[in-house]
Amino acid sequence: KAGVTQTPRYLIKTRGQQVTLSCSPISGHRSVSWYQQTPGQGLQFLFEYFSETQRNKGNFPGRFSGRQFSNSRSEMNVSTLELGDSALYLCASSPLGVPGELFFGEGSRLTVL
Amino acid sequence: GQQVMQIPQYQHVQEGEDFTTYCNSSTTLSNIQWYKQRPGGHPVFLIQLVKSGEVKKQKRLTFQFGEAKKNSSLHITATQTTDVGTYFCAGTSGTYKYIFGTGTRLKVLA
Repeated sequence: KAGVTQTPRYLIKTRGQQVTLSCSPISGHRSVSWYQQTPGQGLQFLFEYFSETQRNKGNFPGRFSGRQFSNSRSEMNVSTLELGDSALYLCASSPLGVPGELFFGEGSRLTVL
Repeated sequence: GQQVMQIPQYQHVQEGEDFTTYCNSSTTLSNIQWYKQRPGGHPVFLIQLVKSGEVKKQKRLTFQFGEAKKNSSLHITATQTTDVGTYFCAGTSGTYKYIFGTGTRLKVLA
């Protein structure tokens, strides 16, 4: 079974730009959650989707948004990028979501210049 | 809001020594999970604990969930160089999200 796939793996953007990250979950998994990982803040929850519905979101500004498609693939978007948005963005899938095991992708490393 | 703290933040041990990381939540948890992230890698699931006072073992790893379901620990006996990485706990309290602990970075000196 293929694992969680995230694209792109690395990207560099400048302040004010926007970025879209993609996540393809493990086949059959209906829950996708997103996390921001930085050295100073650790792993912070962004949002969780299940069957195209956002079930919960973390404490991030409205510049961070996401969606899930009918095939469970998910995208997250960050608009008007700031230097502090530089981070590893991790996507995790799970068959039903909380409280199940999370399967993480390799992440998308975003650098904002 | 709900917070999950982990201590210590860093730990350097000699190979063969034991290691323990502790996880404390500000609220009662429904369950807790433990993940390991190798340097440059992504978090990988280790175990999930659900019951109050639960203890689970995986070879050299022992996991405990506190009686009040607000704390947990991971103990590694006789560390090996393959144990290097950052260990995270992640808890949930009835919502559709996991709150991750701050992580403990383990370094094992050969």
